Amino acid sequence: GAGVSQTPSNKVTEKGKYVELRCDPISGHTALYWYRQSLGQGPEFLIYFQGTGAADDSGLPNDRFFAVRPEGSVSTLKIQRTERGDSAVYLCASSLRVLNEQFFGPGTRLTVL
Amino acid sequence: DAKTTQPPSMDCAEGRAANLPCNHSTISGNEYVYWYRQIHSQGPQYIIHGLKNNETNEMASLIITEDRKSSTLILPHATLRDTAVYYCIVRPDSNYQLIWGAGTKLIIKP
Repeated sequence: GAGVSQTPSNKVTEKGKYVELRCDPISGHTALYWYRQSLGQGPEFLIYFQGTGAADDSGLPNDRFFAVRPEGSVSTLKIQRTERGDSAVYLCASSLRVLNEQFFGPGTRLTVL
Repeated sequence: DAKTTQPPSMDCAEGRAANLPCNHSTISGNEYVYWYRQIHSQGPQYIIHGLKNNETNEMASLIITEDRKSSTLILPHATLRDTAVYYCIVRPDSNYQLIWGAGTKLIIKP
């Protein structure tokens, strides 16, 4: 079956711009997670959705970062006033239920110039 | 902080078994051991997980020591496509968060 998909695969933007990153989870998966991965490091948790609600956003670095999942399926990670330090690969994962194994998408590589 | 310790890198010959160690000496009774791998420029891929007993699936085997302080992931017949960074993660059964370390970069050589 189809796995987790993320678009775009690459995004180059300028400092100060706004970006949106999209995640399509596996159909039927109720839990969705966003992670950020810098070069040479493991992924770092950002936010977790159960259904439509953000159950845990403790990993979001600051208020420039926001994510939504309005219909309990597709999610969008939004970054305002991007900074060079936001450059990373943003990974999305989903799981059937919250404590099941997480399946990851290919990621979106964000580069802020 | 990650609760696991892994060697930064390992080599293995193609066709041989790759044995990847992981130390988790502070593991609690309700914590699972998870293994993921990440092939270059791809998202992490779930491999296997276990609590106490050894586990096997179509990808790998997971051997957990009796005291649960360490484990070994075994890829029985490594191929070049198994070259990746392998992450060992300890996760409580009541917490969804995966805390990732730096992993082991496994290179399969022809």
